[in-house]
Amino acid sequence: EAEVAQSPRYKITEKSQAVAFWCDPISGHATLYWYRQILGQGPELLVQFQDESVVDDSQLPKDRFSAERLKGVDSTLKIQPAELGDSAMYLCASSSGGTDTQYFGPGTRLTVL
Amino acid sequence: GDSVTQMEGPVTLSEEACLTINCTYTATGYPSLFWYVQYPGEGLQLLLKATKADDKGSNKGFEATYRKETTSFHLEKGSVQVSDSAVYFCALRGSARQLTFGSGTQLTVLP
Repeated sequence: EAEVAQSPRYKITEKSQAVAFWCDPISGHATLYWYRQILGQGPELLVQFQDESVVDDSQLPKDRFSAERLKGVDSTLKIQPAELGDSAMYLCASSSGGTDTQYFGPGTRLTVL
Repeated sequence: GDSVTQMEGPVTLSEEACLTINCTYTATGYPSLFWYVQYPGEGLQLLLKATKADDKGSNKGFEATYRKETTSFHLEKGSVQVSDSAVYFCALRGSARQLTFGSGTQLTVLP
């Protein structure tokens, strides 16, 4: 069964450092999502791509976060500089066009010291 | 805006007990409704969904019925197992075509 791949699974960094997360969606899925999940809460959408274009990044803190999906396949989410409050699980999901179901990857657990 | 309110946890049950996790929502129009499950250290997995009023989603013994009149989508299972221990999230997909999640309910099933 096809799955969404994410790496790394765990990342520990010091504040003010730069970090990057990678996501490879299910093959053929045009829509890709990045979510942030703070411990004890539900995921919150950071950015949504349709192919290589950003559809919604209204909740992305653009002063420090950036996301790209250059060829409309895999995607990278970057934080620079990282802050203590960025400690969370970062989840990637994908869906095919026209369907509701989003399939999630295993996530990257970020700890900022 | 859209919102989902879930029964707060944690919930602890003995094996073979009945489970109900309450979920109510606020949304304009006719959202699709979902239950996702998250096992420790993993991402979310879709458990079941319903896309219109009175639809019943079901999977792995879990069921939930889309009740528009009460704006609810409660998750039920007649007999839980230890392997059902996880965090359960109710979510909706509204007119903005984005998923809005509840805060999650931690379920622990004891042998």
